[in-house]
Amino acid sequence: EAGVAQSPRYKIIEKRQSVAFWCNPISGHATLYWYQQILGQGPKLLIQFQNNGVVDDSQLPKDRFSAERLKGVDSTLKIQPAKLEDSAVYLCASSFPGGVAVYEQYFGPGTRLTVT
Amino acid sequence: QKEVEQNSGPLSVPEGAIASLNCTYSDRGSQSFFWYRQYSGKSPELIMSIYSNGDKEDGRFTAQLNKASQYVSLLIRDSQPSDSATYLCAVKTSYDKVIFGPGTSLSVIP
Repeated sequence: EAGVAQSPRYKIIEKRQSVAFWCNPISGHATLYWYQQILGQGPKLLIQFQNNGVVDDSQLPKDRFSAERLKGVDSTLKIQPAKLEDSAVYLCASSFPGGVAVYEQYFGPGTRLTVT
Repeated sequence: QKEVEQNSGPLSVPEGAIASLNCTYSDRGSQSFFWYRQYSGKSPELIMSIYSNGDKEDGRFTAQLNKASQYVSLLIRDSQPSDSATYLCAVKTSYDKVIFGPGTSLSVIP
């Protein structure tokens, strides 16, 4: 079974530029999460999708971050314009749609973003 | 009070010893608890889930849950250098959010 795919793996941009990250979850996983992980901290949820719909985006800085999940599969997270404090690893995770394991998350390799 | 707290590290144990990692949470209605391992420069990997009070064993790993004390722990028996990583505790709260703790860095010394 293929894991969660993410691209790019690394990205360096200047502040005020824009950037986009892509995620393809494990086949059949209806729930998709985007996290921001700053060095030395635990992952912080940015947005959670259930199929096409947004379940939780309470910690997404909506003035600069946006995300979409078209057709309930792939997802894209965008930052525009980027700030220095956005430097972090952006993790995508997915989980099985039902049962007791619904909150067991499987993570992709992440995208390391550096904003200069 | 932070929602999920973990014992501050780094934690160093000699090879072959038992490593004990602790986690406390603030939402008394939390029902599901997870331990993830994260190697340096890698993404988190799920190693244990626990849903009921008591112990759950999987190989060298044992998760312990005490909902009354709002406490969950992970024991690693016969620690190996390959266990050196950051261990993240995650809690599914009563309001259906998964909150991660800050992690505890474990170093197993050969």
